[in-house]
Amino acid sequence: DAKTTQPNSMESNEEEPVHLPCNHSTISGTDYIHWYRQLPSQGPEYVIHGLTSNVNNRMASLAIAEDRKSSTLILHRATLRDAAVYYCILLNSGYALNFGKGTSLLVTP
Amino acid sequence: DSGVTQTPKHLITATGQRVTLRCSPRSGDLSVYWYQQSLDQGLQFLIQYYNGEERAKGNILERFSAQQFPDLHSELNLSSLELGDSALYFCASSVGGGQRNTEAFFGQGTRLTVV
Repeated sequence: DAKTTQPNSMESNEEEPVHLPCNHSTISGTDYIHWYRQLPSQGPEYVIHGLTSNVNNRMASLAIAEDRKSSTLILHRATLRDAAVYYCILLNSGYALNFGKGTSLLVTP
Repeated sequence: DSGVTQTPKHLITATGQRVTLRCSPRSGDLSVYWYQQSLDQGLQFLIQYYNGEERAKGNILERFSAQQFPDLHSELNLSSLELGDSALYFCASSVGGGQRNTEAFFGQGTRLTVV
């Protein structure tokens, strides 16, 4: 599976939108883009995934660049509960998620 | 609550010993995945079972083994334990045979401490 690059950490104010970037310049045409997050002392939690089109669900939105070499996870209104490590993962032929280091999101009141 | 149950939550054991970690997947999920999370290595995929058969292998040591039973629960066996095996072990499940176009559900993990 292709590699992703994320900032080590980001900070946001509560109730403001958060845009978490992910670069994946070597993405292949059939790689799915997955986002998971891990809250402190918890197991990873699925956030969203997509292939080519932007996706929305109750947790977040996923904006995928037209050339698919980057994507952005959007949390529309950050809450303290959104403080977590966010992982951007590409999945194609592999059967399992390959977690990198992710982005540690700090949300301040 | 993800619907994935792992037991025990905590385990403390001595070097050289053997332990078994248990995972019950979400109802209806056929795949079970095992992951290890340590401070220096991050989250690493160990092994996947699909409907009782081994489907994929990751960075699993030879001292470790797993199986999935007919009722779809899975066990991860860790033997000849070393201090470096101390970690959080997560189990995840998904409906199909791969995680490519589906979401995986993770349990709360088993924290293993080897002393």
